[in-house]
Amino acid sequence: DTAVSQTPKYLVTQMGNDKSIKCEQNLGHDTMYWYKQDSKKFLKIMFSYNNKELIINETVPNRFSPKSPDKAHLNLHINSLELGDSAVYFCASSQAGGVATQYFGPGTRLTVL
Amino acid sequence: DQQVKQNSPSLSVQEGRISILNCDYTNSMFDYFLWYKKYPAEGPTFLISISSIKDKNEDGRFTVFLNKSAKHLSLHIVPSQPGDSAVYFCAACCGGATNKLIFGTGTLLAVQP
Repeated sequence: DTAVSQTPKYLVTQMGNDKSIKCEQNLGHDTMYWYKQDSKKFLKIMFSYNNKELIINETVPNRFSPKSPDKAHLNLHINSLELGDSAVYFCASSQAGGVATQYFGPGTRLTVL
Repeated sequence: DQQVKQNSPSLSVQEGRISILNCDYTNSMFDYFLWYKKYPAEGPTFLISISSIKDKNEDGRFTVFLNKSAKHLSLHIVPSQPGDSAVYFCAACCGGATNKLIFGTGTLLAVQP
């Protein structure tokens, strides 16, 4: 059983399009995250949700909107895609409270043409 | 402003020898440190962690050392195995921020048979 899963694994799209990436975890965790790994391999946090409530929101363009329908799911919707959005996006989850180890999904490679 | 740095982008070690991966950080508020391992086309996998109240944590072949005064940590793998070949990311947390991991840029470890 996959603990943290993401779909799709690869996404190729044109500039200006709107796309979504889905994430699901079956670990029973309360907190979920989105990270972006850019071409320089920097892995940076974008958002964090705890029990469907936004708790971390880094300096990310408004075109990125996370949505958490329930605590097992955290989707990422991106409007008006730009070339610079090309990256690998990782979803992660952890137990809530204090310092908790984060478990990552396999990543979604987004390519904007 | 890169708060967590891994200055060696790559490291090559012979099978059976010790691998030492280094990480430096600048924020003295960080109080928890983690190492993740990443294979190509997969998400990072948690390896080992250490709290700032300790200076060493060991788990099988993996040992993490923390030198708070130098703001430096290292991961020792002994003996190294070809299956250890991967990118290793150092991460730091939290300093009051809710479970927000700051990652280094990674070190590619190649263990030669």
